[in-house]
Amino acid sequence: QVQLVQSGAEVAKPGASVKVSCKASGYTFTSYFIHWLRQAPGQGLEWMGVINSSGGNTNYAQRFQGRVTMTRDRSTSTLYMEVSSLRSEDTAVYYCARVVGSGKLAYFDYWGQGTLVTVSS
Amino acid sequence: QSVLTQPPSASGTPGQRVTISCSGSSSNIGSNTVNWYQQLPGTAPKLLIYIDDQRPSGVPDRFSGSKSGTSASLAISGLQSEDEADYFCAAWDGSLNHWVFGGGTKLTVL
Repeated sequence: QVQLVQSGAEVAKPGASVKVSCKASGYTFTSYFIHWLRQAPGQGLEWMGVINSSGGNTNYAQRFQGRVTMTRDRSTSTLYMEVSSLRSEDTAVYYCARVVGSGKLAYFDYWGQGTLVTVSS
Repeated sequence: QSVLTQPPSASGTPGQRVTISCSGSSSNIGSNTVNWYQQLPGTAPKLLIYIDDQRPSGVPDRFSGSKSGTSASLAISGLQSEDEADYFCAAWDGSLNHWVFGGGTKLTVL
């Protein structure tokens, strides 16, 4: 069955970086794009960007440009999302999610379990 | 502030029918399909409805989705205690060029 398993909770200091992993299984890794999203405490979901698991090309939300890097390792079917220059407002649960379809007919069908990142001095 | 607007809470008694609304604009709901997710506390979101009104296999037919203009709705009939969860809507926004979400609706089964 399809699974996206994320790395464990992280605590980081302001100004530091954090890297979250998302290991995929149960499907052909290179056939799907993976999106990253986050949910701050008491807030709605926020889309951060997407990575093509095959070619590795990315598209980031404008507000995260220059601060977020998404990569993938095809040999281990693992995706990574790194956020740098952390600030307290980056405290959130971070999710990876697989997207099916494209354009108007796209939707997220499987999600990782989430990774809590706490930014605190 | 979420781009898509949902009521923060909804409630019903077992067996009742409840609807949750999701309001957007011409650049998101008005021109793209809507998806709905259920999220139990501390767990990953689960796909409930996709492409406005399609149910994935395994989702009971008690759950249904609809859309009209720039608004969408999720209906849950025959409410059960296990339906108590957060529900949120999602759509692609062609003007912002990214996915947008509702703030979520917490459903309580009384």
